[in-house]
Amino acid sequence: KAGVTQTPRYLIKTRGQQVTLSCSPISGHRSVSWYQQTPGQGLQFLFEYFSETQRNKGNFPGRFSGRQFSNSRSEMNVSTLELGDSALYLCASSLFIGQNEKLFFGSGTQLSVL
Amino acid sequence: AQTVTQSQPEMSVQEAETVTLSCTYDTSENNYYLFWYKQPPSRQMILVIRQEAYKQQNATENRFSVNFQKAAKSFSLKISDSQLGDTAMYFCAFRAGAQKLVFGQGTRLTINP
Repeated sequence: KAGVTQTPRYLIKTRGQQVTLSCSPISGHRSVSWYQQTPGQGLQFLFEYFSETQRNKGNFPGRFSGRQFSNSRSEMNVSTLELGDSALYLCASSLFIGQNEKLFFGSGTQLSVL
Repeated sequence: AQTVTQSQPEMSVQEAETVTLSCTYDTSENNYYLFWYKQPPSRQMILVIRQEAYKQQNATENRFSVNFQKAAKSFSLKISDSQLGDTAMYFCAFRAGAQKLVFGQGTRLTINP
């Protein structure tokens, strides 16, 4: 069974641009969550989707948005990029949402904002 | 709000030694799960072990075991017979119900040959 696939692996953008990151979950998984990882802030939760509906949202500005499609694939978008958005963005999938759900992570997208 | 604290930013041990990583958390919830994730240089987070709060018995997975002290809100990870492949960042995490997963700041573990 294929794992969680995130594309692209690396991305370089300039301030003010927008970016879209993609995440394909493990087949059969209906929940996808996104995390931002930086050396200073560690791992911060962005949002979580289940069956195309956003179920949880972290404390990020409205420039960060996401969506989930009917095939469970998810995208996150960051508009008007700032230098501080440079980070590793990780996606995880699971069968359902719940405290006992095992999350499977992708290898992330490394975003650099210049 | 739940918080997770890992007080050891970095640790280093010799191969075959035993190492313990510390984690404390703060919550008012009574039912929750705790996790240890490993992030090797490949960047992919891998679940090492998980513990249900209402289970008193400490979880074990081969060379990995936890010491869960619910009253003290402590959740340490012990790695026995450490191997070079154990070199990675280790994150402690907490989740209650359908709330978001909360991570600690991580501990960078290096296993030396």
